[in-house]
Amino acid sequence: GDSVTQMEGPVTLSEEAFLTINCTYTATGYPSLFWYVQYPGEGLQLLLKATKADDKGSNKGFEATYRKETTSFHLEKGSVQVSDSAVYFCALRGGTSYGKLTFGQGTILTVHP
Amino acid sequence: EPEVTQTPSHQVTQMGQEVILRCVPISNHLYFYWYRQILGQKVEFLVSFYNNEISEKSEIFDDQFSVERPDGSNFTLKIRSTKLEDSAMYFCASSDYSNEQFFGPGTRLTVL
Repeated sequence: GDSVTQMEGPVTLSEEAFLTINCTYTATGYPSLFWYVQYPGEGLQLLLKATKADDKGSNKGFEATYRKETTSFHLEKGSVQVSDSAVYFCALRGGTSYGKLTFGQGTILTVHP
Repeated sequence: EPEVTQTPSHQVTQMGQEVILRCVPISNHLYFYWYRQILGQKVEFLVSFYNNEISEKSEIFDDQFSVERPDGSNFTLKIRSTKLEDSAMYFCASSDYSNEQFFGPGTRLTVL
């Protein structure tokens, strides 16, 4: 079945540092890929998405590129802020699904001033 | 901005009791979902619902679980006889035809 693997966390960075959170997936067909973010006390919010190979999703300075050859969708940001502290989830929607999302385990990011 | 709401935010129940978790999806959305996250584990899909019927469900969603859209606004998840292992955060989500899912803040269910 479909699965998503995220890098082990938590991740702790200083403000303005470069962020990478690795995500790899296993799926049949042509999945869509997503990054969701969860701030303390809130629900999951869609951060960015990509629906086909080589697409780049971007939002709020975050980027991720759909790499079919390496089955990856790594999240990057050039300069993190304290306000980026949250839990980040990589997810996929399989090509044959009615909408079911399969999530990775989540990565806790803490950014210090 | 429209949002998905869930009540209660925290539910404590005794093992074997029935619980109903409530969600109000975004008003023009047509697809509805429940997910859960056991502490320290992945967010797991439970069920999707469209046109007043279940469109997909996971192995977790056994006969103890049911979903309902009793009126035009609410979407509920019922657990008939709770077990200790049902303790988790339960998230409701909804989407329109774009399939971008909007999530609620979750209900934390604690089974004692």
